[in-house]
Amino acid sequence: KAGVTQTPRYLIKTRGQQVTLSCSPISGHRSVSWYQQTPGQGLQFLFEYFSETQRNKGNFPGRFSGRQFSNSRSEMNVSTLELGDSALYLCASSYRPGQGEEKLFFGSGTQLSVL
Amino acid sequence: DAKTTQPPSMDCAEGRAANLPCNHSTISGNEYVYWYRQIHSQGPQYIIHGLKNNETNEMASLIITEDRKSSTLILPHATLRDTAVYYCIVRVAVNNDMRFGAGTRLTVKP
Repeated sequence: KAGVTQTPRYLIKTRGQQVTLSCSPISGHRSVSWYQQTPGQGLQFLFEYFSETQRNKGNFPGRFSGRQFSNSRSEMNVSTLELGDSALYLCASSYRPGQGEEKLFFGSGTQLSVL
Repeated sequence: DAKTTQPPSMDCAEGRAANLPCNHSTISGNEYVYWYRQIHSQGPQYIIHGLKNNETNEMASLIITEDRKSSTLILPHATLRDTAVYYCIVRVAVNNDMRFGAGTRLTVKP
């Protein structure tokens, strides 16, 4: 079955703009998490959604937001982009959040460059 | 979640076993040990996980010490395609906030 799909794969924006990234989880998976990866900070957790509700949030400013739709697809939005937002944004899905030994499956990510 | 310590880099000869250590001395009784790897420009890939017992799957084996304070990921016959950054993560499975450290950069050489 198809894996986690993230679009677009690459994105170039300028400071002050906003951006929306999309994630389609594995079929049947209802939990979607977002991570930011930068060379300096590594992989950092942004937030997690399950059944259209945000369950958990990492330590990021309010410019970072997300949502989940009834079909479990998720989007994340970054407003008023800053140079430091340049990163690989990864989406991960699981059948349900943190129940027992729940594995995360990651997409290939969206590489965002802010100029 | 417990903190993990991994060597920053390791080399391994192709065809030989790669043994990647991880220290998690502050692990709690209900925390699992997970291993993921990330090949350049791709998302992390799940490898294996365990709680107390040693585990084996088609990709690797996971050896957890009896006191659970450390573990070793074993790739039995490393290939060039196993060159990647390997992350050891210890977490309580109550949410999907996984704390990735810096990992070990494994280079498999011909």
